[in-house]
Order: sequence, then C-alpha cells, then structure tokens
Amino acid sequence: AQSVTQPDIHITVSEGASLELRCNYSYGATPYLFWYVQSPGQGLQLLLKYFSGDTLVQGIKGFEAEFKRSQSSFNLRKPSVHWSDAAEYFCAVGMEYGNKLVFGAGTILRVKS
Amino acid sequence: DVKVTQSSRYLVKRTGEKVFLECVQDMDHENMFWYRQDPGLGLRLIYFSYDVKMKEKGDIPEGYSVSREKKERFSLILESASTNQTSMYLCASSPGQPNFKFSNTEAFFGQGTRLTVV
Repeated sequence: AQSVTQPDIHITVSEGASLELRCNYSYGATPYLFWYVQSPGQGLQLLLKYFSGDTLVQGIKGFEAEFKRSQSSFNLRKPSVHWSDAAEYFCAVGMEYGNKLVFGAGTILRVKS
Repeated sequence: DVKVTQSSRYLVKRTGEKVFLECVQDMDHENMFWYRQDPGLGLRLIYFSYDVKMKEKGDIPEGYSVSREKKERFSLILESASTNQTSMYLCASSPGQPNFKFSNTEAFFGQGTRLTVV
C-alpha cells in the first residue's frame, strides 16, 4: 500500500535561512505528488504539485520541490524563510488509479527571529 | 475564488449524541472527501464520494457515515459520538476525471471543524 513519510515532526529555522522539508513515499507506480501548507486555524492550501515532466517544480510563496525517483523523495525547499512561513506542511501522494490522496504526518515549521 | 465551506468551526457534543458535520462546495466538483486530522498522524481519509449518492469508505470509516444528496453538499455523520472521535475534521473537494482513474487534481479544503466530544 502507498505511504508517505515525513521524517521531521518539528523543524526550527532562523528567518532568512534556507529550508528543506523531507518527504519520502512508497508507491509502486507513477506517483502524483503534492505539498500542502496549513496555517494555524486554517484549512490546507496547495503549495505545488508534480505529475510528470521537469522534476523541479515551482510553487507559490517562493517554494520549490524536486522529485527524485531513485530516492522516492519529493523534498520541499525555500532559499530564504520568512516569519509568515511558520505553519504545518504536509506531503501527499495521489494514486495513479483512484481519487484519493495519502498524506504524511506533517512537519511543523517554526521560524525564529 | 473557489470555496469549500464547513458549517461549524467549533463543536462540543456529548457522548452518545448524533452529530452532523456539513460541507458545501461551490466549484461543481465531482469528488468530495472527509478527513480526520490528529497530531502526529496527519490526515486520514474517512469517506469520499465521487458522485451524488455514491460513497466509498476510506481508511478509517468505523463510527462514521456520510450522505451526499446533492452535488455540492457532503455530510459526515457520527451516529453515536464517542470521546475518541474528538478531532479536527476537514472536508475537501476536487474535480473528477472522465475515466475516474487519476488523482492528479488539486484538492480544495475547508477550514476545518474542531469537534470535542465530552
């Protein structure tokens, strides 16, 4: 069965520092990959998605993610973090057949000034 | 702006009560979902629906049921609420695909309902 692992439960970075959030997936076929962000008290918002093609995808708010099939990874990056980026981030994989998403447990990002 | 609206942000219910969580979307999406969000567990799918009156169990359907009488509305029902159903509940919708084979479309989420069962 498909699964998503986000190894880091919490990450703290200084404002202006670079950020990388890790995501590994387990799925035998072609995955559809997503990163969502959830600000406190809010629903989830899509940051970016990968379906095919260029393995480096750009998203909103200056985020990007790189799909590495050999490592089964889809890590999220941002070159310079802002205090407003503090939130919980979820990686998700969509199955090739079906209409469900499987989510990771989430990574809580704290930004210190 | 696309919108998924959940009827309540916060609910407090007593053990044994029948609880209805309502969700409405204005995007004419075929698919609607109910997730449960718990710390350290991420989002877990309870039920989803890909058409009016159609429903499928997700990963944790026990203790829940759903209703989809109209395309825009998807209700989650707790037949007899228990304290272990205290959680954040998120509704989502996404456009369907003609062959119902691909989950490569963006899901749009409501703001969530935080349910406390006492």
